[in-house]
Amino acid sequence: AQTVTQSQPEMSVQEAETVTLSCTYDTSESDYYLFWYKQPPSRQMILVIRQEAYKQQNATENRFSVNFQKAAKSFSLKISDSQLGDAAMYFCAYGNKLVFGAGTILRVKS
Amino acid sequence: EAGVTQSPTHLIKTRGQQATLRCSPISGHTSVYWYQQALGLGLQFLLWYDEGEERNRGNFPPRFSGRQFPNYSSELNVNALELEDSALYLCASSYRTGGVETQYFGPGTRLLVL
Repeated sequence: AQTVTQSQPEMSVQEAETVTLSCTYDTSESDYYLFWYKQPPSRQMILVIRQEAYKQQNATENRFSVNFQKAAKSFSLKISDSQLGDAAMYFCAYGNKLVFGAGTILRVKS
Repeated sequence: EAGVTQSPTHLIKTRGQQATLRCSPISGHTSVYWYQQALGLGLQFLLWYDEGEERNRGNFPPRFSGRQFPNYSSELNVNALELEDSALYLCASSYRTGGVETQYFGPGTRLLVL
């Protein structure tokens, strides 16, 4: 069974700075997808970024980018130029029947 | 384009009752997934429907059931409610394109069992 581990329950970042959220996963599959979702206090789960495992190039979406290390089964999320609106719970997720990590609360300080 | 919608937004029931939660997917999406987000337990996969059929279910008892209608909307039914069923229930819809299937979530239904 696949598992997803987010080892940072909570992170803080100063507005305009960069923060990296960690995620590791375990799977025996060779082809899969990975996602980062953001859940603000409104509770609406919002897709941040996705990565196909067969692609060596790291995905980027504006200020959000990932560092995908397939051999190490690591999938970290980097948020550049952090904004107050980035404050939320961030979930790393694996696969189609999404297996979620426990989440990381990101606080953004002004 | 309208997103995934869920109703009701909040639902209060008592132990032993039945709850029905509804989900309308994004137009063109044929798959619907249900997840339970309970306090302290994180997000857990409940059910997956595609093209009207139940494709997979998570580690939940049979009193959690559902169906998908011909218009791809879906219903989640929880029978014989227990206090620990109190949670946020999230529905997501997806469509596979280019080999990638991405789920888009609705706002959730918060179920409180008293």
